[in-house]
Amino acid sequence: KAGVTQTPRYLIKTRGQQVTLSCSPISGHRSVSWYQQTPGQGLQFLFEYFSETQRNKGNFPGRFSGRQFSNSRSEMNVSTLELGDSALYLCASSLVTGPHNEQFFGPGTRLTVL
Amino acid sequence: GQQVMQIPQYQHVQEGEDFTTYCNSSTTLSNIQWYKQRPGGHPVFLIQLVKSGEVKKQKRLTFQFGEAKKNSSLHITATQTTDVGTYFCAGIRNNDMRFGAGTRLTVKP
Repeated sequence: KAGVTQTPRYLIKTRGQQVTLSCSPISGHRSVSWYQQTPGQGLQFLFEYFSETQRNKGNFPGRFSGRQFSNSRSEMNVSTLELGDSALYLCASSLVTGPHNEQFFGPGTRLTVL
Repeated sequence: GQQVMQIPQYQHVQEGEDFTTYCNSSTTLSNIQWYKQRPGGHPVFLIQLVKSGEVKKQKRLTFQFGEAKKNSSLHITATQTTDVGTYFCAGIRNNDMRFGAGTRLTVKP
């Protein structure tokens, strides 16, 4: 069974631009969660989508948004990029919704904002 | 709000020595998960603990959940170079999951 895939793997943007990251979950998994990982703040939860609905949201500004499609693939968008948005963005999929389930992480997208 | 503290931040051991990382929550948790992230890799789920006082073993790894469900530990016996990486705990309360900052383990052959 193929793992979680994320595209692109690396991205360089400049301040003020926007970016869209994509995540394809493991086949059959309907929940997708997004995390931001930085050396200073560690792993922080962004949001979770299940059945095309946002089920849970972390403490991030409205510039961070996401969506999920009927095939469970998910995208996250960051608008008006800031230098502090440079991070590794990880998505994780699980069979059902909720953090009580084993999550399978993708390889991440490393975003650099210049 | 819920906070999950993890110590130590770094641990360097000689191959064959034991290693322990500790996770403490400011609030009672419903369950706790442990993940391992190899350098340059992504977190990989290791285990989930649910019951008070629970102890689970995976080969050389022993996981414990405290009686009060506010702390947990991961102990590795006789470390090997393949154990290198960062170990994260993730405390879960209601629908909220918070990761600890992780313990980065390096092993000298």
